[in-house]
Amino acid sequence: GQQVMQIPQYQHVQEGEDFTTYCNSSTTLSNIQWYKQRPGGHPVFLIQLVKSGEVKKQKRLTFQFGEAKKNSSLHITATQTTDVGTYFCAGPWGGYQKVTFGIGTKLQVIP
Amino acid sequence: NAGVTQTPKFRILKIGQSMTLQCTQDMNHNYMYWYRQDPGMGLKLIYYSVGAGITDKGEVPNGYNVSRSTTEDFPLRLELAAPSQTSVYFCASSYPGFDSNTGELFFGEGSRLTVL
Repeated sequence: GQQVMQIPQYQHVQEGEDFTTYCNSSTTLSNIQWYKQRPGGHPVFLIQLVKSGEVKKQKRLTFQFGEAKKNSSLHITATQTTDVGTYFCAGPWGGYQKVTFGIGTKLQVIP
Repeated sequence: NAGVTQTPKFRILKIGQSMTLQCTQDMNHNYMYWYRQDPGMGLKLIYYSVGAGITDKGEVPNGYNVSRSTTEDFPLRLELAAPSQTSVYFCASSYPGFDSNTGELFFGEGSRLTVL
C-alpha cells in the first residue's frame, strides 16, 4: 500500500505568505530528501535529513525531520515568485538505495 | 563535467515500436535510476542499478528493460510501445551516501516520449 503521503497536493499563496508541505511515512526512514522541480524542468536536490528531530535551514527554507523519523516538512517563509514549482520528498521506502518519491506539492505564488 | 546526459530529448513512437533511451553520467556514480513522470504527477521509479552488472525493478517496471554494462551508461529499453508509456522519462545518478544513507540524486534534463 501507499507508504508515503505528501500534502497538500496543490497550494496557491500570495507573494509574501508562508508555505508548508508535509511528508508522512508509514514506516521509519533512515533518511529523507527534498527536491524542487520548476515547471518544465528536472528535479533538483535541496537537502537531506538524517537525524531524528533534525532541523536545517537554507535562507527562507526550513526543513524538519520528525522525532520518530516518519514525518518531514518543508516550510518557506515569505514566498517569492521564484519559489514556484513542485516540491517532492524522497526516501528509501522500497529499500536501501531504492529511492522513491512522494506525489509532490505544487506551489503557485500569486504576485 | 556534463553531469547526467539523456538522449533523445523528444521522440514520437507508433504503437508497437521499440526504442532505447540513453543515459550516461560522467561523475563515476555507482547508482543510477530511471523514473517516469506523467503530466501533473510525481515520479515513479522504473528500474535502478547499484553498479555495473546489477539492476533491479522499481515500482513500475512492466514494459521496460535495462542493462548496466558500464558505470557510465544505463540505457532504458521500451519494447512494443503503448500509449500508456507516453511520459517524461528522467535518468538520475548518485554516489553512496554516508552511513548507508541515500546519496543526492543528480537528474538529467528528461526525455519526452509520446506514443501514438
